[in-house]
Amino acid sequence: RKEVEQDPGPFNVPEGATVAFNCTYSNSASQSFFWYRQDCRKEPKLLMSVYSSGNEDGRFTAQLNRASQYISLLIRDSKLSDSATYLCVVNMIDNFNKFYFGSGTKLNVKP
Amino acid sequence: DGGITQSPKYLFRKEGQNVTLSCEQNLNHDAMYWYRQDPGQGLRLIYYSQIVNDFQKGDIAEGYSVSREKKESFPLTVTSAQKNPTAFYLCASPSNTGELFFGEGSRLTVL
Repeated sequence: RKEVEQDPGPFNVPEGATVAFNCTYSNSASQSFFWYRQDCRKEPKLLMSVYSSGNEDGRFTAQLNRASQYISLLIRDSKLSDSATYLCVVNMIDNFNKFYFGSGTKLNVKP
Repeated sequence: DGGITQSPKYLFRKEGQNVTLSCEQNLNHDAMYWYRQDPGQGLRLIYYSQIVNDFQKGDIAEGYSVSREKKESFPLTVTSAQKNPTAFYLCASPSNTGELFFGEGSRLTVL
């Protein structure tokens, strides 16, 4: 079983739509949670950290459910520029600071 | 600006050749990581180093080697023993807040 699982998509949505991505993780000892954005043939870049209380950054809202080991990302009022792959990333400190990556969910926002 | 610099961005290799990918950081971070990304898969850890002069194998170290002689530098050698080296290679380093910073990546193609 993969440590982090995501729906690969693609999600094809019109501009202005609201879209939600989900992610599950297998290790209950996981400590930190993130959403990264990766454009085609580029490196991943941090979109936002995910906190237990939920957090919002403009059009983006992230939520964490530790009991269900589930993370979500909601994008409101989608823009063409939101088209990218969104990676769910989970961090656990064992003997070192280890990161586990989902395979990514691809989003295509259409005009 | 602080960051991670990888070179070269694109590299072509003939079968049987070793190649070395450069990674330099000026973030003053202790830890540095190398990941491999293949289409449709999450990032997989090749090697990591928590401190200068120390490094450990990650999940897919076979066919790779590294060194960490300076805090700023963590080069990766892809040896001829790596059976399927064509991939996107990412160097990364975590901050104290848990954010993982990436270099721009090196895309290796075996001819």
